[in-house]
Amino acid sequence: DQQVKQNSPSLSVQEGRISILNCDYTNSMFDYFLWYKKYPAEGPTFLISISSIKDKNEDGRFTVFLNKSAKHLSLHIVPSQPGDSAVYFCAASVGGSEKLVFGKGMKLTVNP
Amino acid sequence: NAGVTQTPKFQVLKTGQSMTLQCAQDMNHEYMSWYRQDPGMGLRLIHYSVGAGITDQGEVPNGYNVSRSTTEDFPLRLLSAAPSQTSVYFCASRPTVLNEQFFGPGTRLTVL
Repeated sequence: DQQVKQNSPSLSVQEGRISILNCDYTNSMFDYFLWYKKYPAEGPTFLISISSIKDKNEDGRFTVFLNKSAKHLSLHIVPSQPGDSAVYFCAASVGGSEKLVFGKGMKLTVNP
Repeated sequence: NAGVTQTPKFQVLKTGQSMTLQCAQDMNHEYMSWYRQDPGMGLRLIHYSVGAGITDQGEVPNGYNVSRSTTEDFPLRLLSAAPSQTSVYFCASRPTVLNEQFFGPGTRLTVL
């Protein structure tokens, strides 16, 4: 049973607009969440994270929102750039442990 | 710093053969992990280590062995390769003070 779900496999947006990537989780013990970006033939790269004691974390163009009651988090990219085109993975852990559980990923395409 | 390096980049094995995937990091990170990524499955944790001499199982450990004799190296051994082990393998590391992991470029393994 998938504990971290990224239900939309792909998203296409225009350059300059907002990209919203969603992630749902089922394990209420998860208390640390991360987003990774992955280009083809490369390893994932850390993007941004959030602890369950917060409901929002910002880093430049990237903002992650956490709704604990809904077990839902989202990644907002504003403004979107063509270089943001990649596969984005949501991941979760308990207590920041090594046992990261990843979603299946979502392919974002930003069109010029 | 070279970061996390993995060798080989590509490997083809026959069923029943054994091999070792190499992973090294030069950042003096305490934590190291091995993941596999299958199409449509996201990344799944195979084994991880919290320091030299200490390893533990992840979500999908069967068919794989690991050891951690030094801080820098964390090899993954396939004792008797099976077609179900065809996948892309990623090694990752992180320091104790950070929750985000740094990934290597991956090894694409095909078992015939």
